[in-house]
Amino acid sequence: DIQLTQSPSFLSASVGDRVTITCRASQGITSSLAWYQQKPGKAPELLVYAASTLQSGVPSRFSGSGSGTEFTLTISSLQPEDFATYYCQQLNSYPITFGQGTRLEIK
Amino acid sequence: QVQLVESGGGVVQPGRSLRLSCAASGFTFSSYGMHWVRQAPGKGLEWVAAILYDGSNKYYTDSVKGRFTISRDNSKNTLYLQMNSLRAEDTAIYYCVQGTGDKFDNWGQGTLVTVSS
Repeated sequence: DIQLTQSPSFLSASVGDRVTITCRASQGITSSLAWYQQKPGKAPELLVYAASTLQSGVPSRFSGSGSGTEFTLTISSLQPEDFATYYCQQLNSYPITFGQGTRLEIK
Repeated sequence: QVQLVESGGGVVQPGRSLRLSCAASGFTFSSYGMHWVRQAPGKGLEWVAAILYDGSNKYYTDSVKGRFTISRDNSKNTLYLQMNSLRAEDTAIYYCVQGTGDKFDNWGQGTLVTVSS
């Protein structure tokens, strides 16, 4: 199984900050990586797929990059509604796996 | 718009069975692979099972193999998850998800399954 390790697991930041979350895969997954945002009590929502393609309707302050085993999600200027938990996901092979999550909180 | 509505969750004793359903609308159900993803209380996301658009192939995470069965009825636009021999560690919110090869596009609101004596 492909393991995904996100770092950091917890991030405290302020509105307007630029933040980066990293996701490392235990083996190469080409660009088969997606990012999701989840707010408390809600289902996850797709942000980025194929490592760097922004889902329709997602603000342009979100961006994804990487390929192979290392990926990043960047939020260029944090907005109040961005404080949530973020998950990466690999869809290269079954079983599909998720990272453990990064909780982004207001400083 | 796409709607995925799960039902069938509840409280069940260890060792018993439960069947989840997911009613899909707003898209051509028979053209999409579908998944179940779960989330234990306060924990992260765990993919559980997948089924191809025509039901020809099914995939499972190791912890549910032999106990859970994913199926679909394309004539009813409905996805199912039959869960047998339930364990306490199966306690979670179960999400029905529409997927393509490179993303999980749309998620239901989830249904809570609690396994407890």
